[in-house]
Amino acid sequence: DVKVTQSSRYLVKRTGEKVFLECVQDMDHENMFWYRQDPGLGLRLIYFSYDVKMKEKGDIPEGYSVSREKKERFSLILESASTNQTSMYLCASNRRGQPQHFGDGTRLSIL
Amino acid sequence: RKEVEQDPGPFNVPEGATVAFNCTYSNSASQSFFWYRQDCRKEPKLLMSVYSSGNEDGRFTAQLNRASQYISLLIRDSKLSDSATYLCVVNKAAGNKLTFGGGTRVLVKP
Repeated sequence: DVKVTQSSRYLVKRTGEKVFLECVQDMDHENMFWYRQDPGLGLRLIYFSYDVKMKEKGDIPEGYSVSREKKERFSLILESASTNQTSMYLCASNRRGQPQHFGDGTRLSIL
Repeated sequence: RKEVEQDPGPFNVPEGATVAFNCTYSNSASQSFFWYRQDCRKEPKLLMSVYSSGNEDGRFTAQLNRASQYISLLIRDSKLSDSATYLCVVNKAAGNKLTFGGGTRVLVKP
C-alpha cells in the first residue's frame, strides 16, 4: 500500500512565523504535490515537483515555497504566515499518469 | 468558467436507491479522469479511474462522454457508508497536474 505521511495532523502558528509542513512517501514516486483545501473552493494546487530539486508553481503559489532535497520528501514552507493561509493542507504523490495518493492532511491555523 | 465543475449537492438518497451525478470539464485535451471519495475531515481517496469505454467496480459505474465533455458516476444499491463527497478529477494532456472539481456531496439516509 502507498503511504504518504504528513508530519502533523493539526498545527497552530502565529502571524509572521515561518512554517514548515513535511511530507514523506514510501513508494519511490517521482511526483509530489501540495494542495490546500478550503470550503467552497475545493482543492487548489500550490506547488508540485516531478524530480529531486525540481519544482513547479501550481495555481496558487504566492506566499509559499517548497523544497525537494530527497525523492521521498517534499516540504512546503510558509515564509511569513498570514491568517489567510489558515487551511487544510494535503500532500500527494504518484507515478506519472497514475492516480495521486494523498496524506492525511494538516489542519493549519494561523492566529 | 471553472475547468472542472460539479453540482455541490447534497444529493439525499434513500438507502438502497440509485444515484447518479455528472462532472463537466472545459479542456477538450484532457486525457485522464478519476473519481475520488472524500469523507468529512479526511483526505481524498481514489474511488476509480474512468476509462473511455466506461467501467464498473461493484456498485459503482463511471462513464466518459468526450463529445459533451463530462464524466458521470452512478452508485447502485446505495449504502449508508456511501455518504461522502465525490470529487471529479481531470488530468490535462501531457502534464502531471490534476484539476479537482469542487465535489458532489451525497447523503444516504435510512
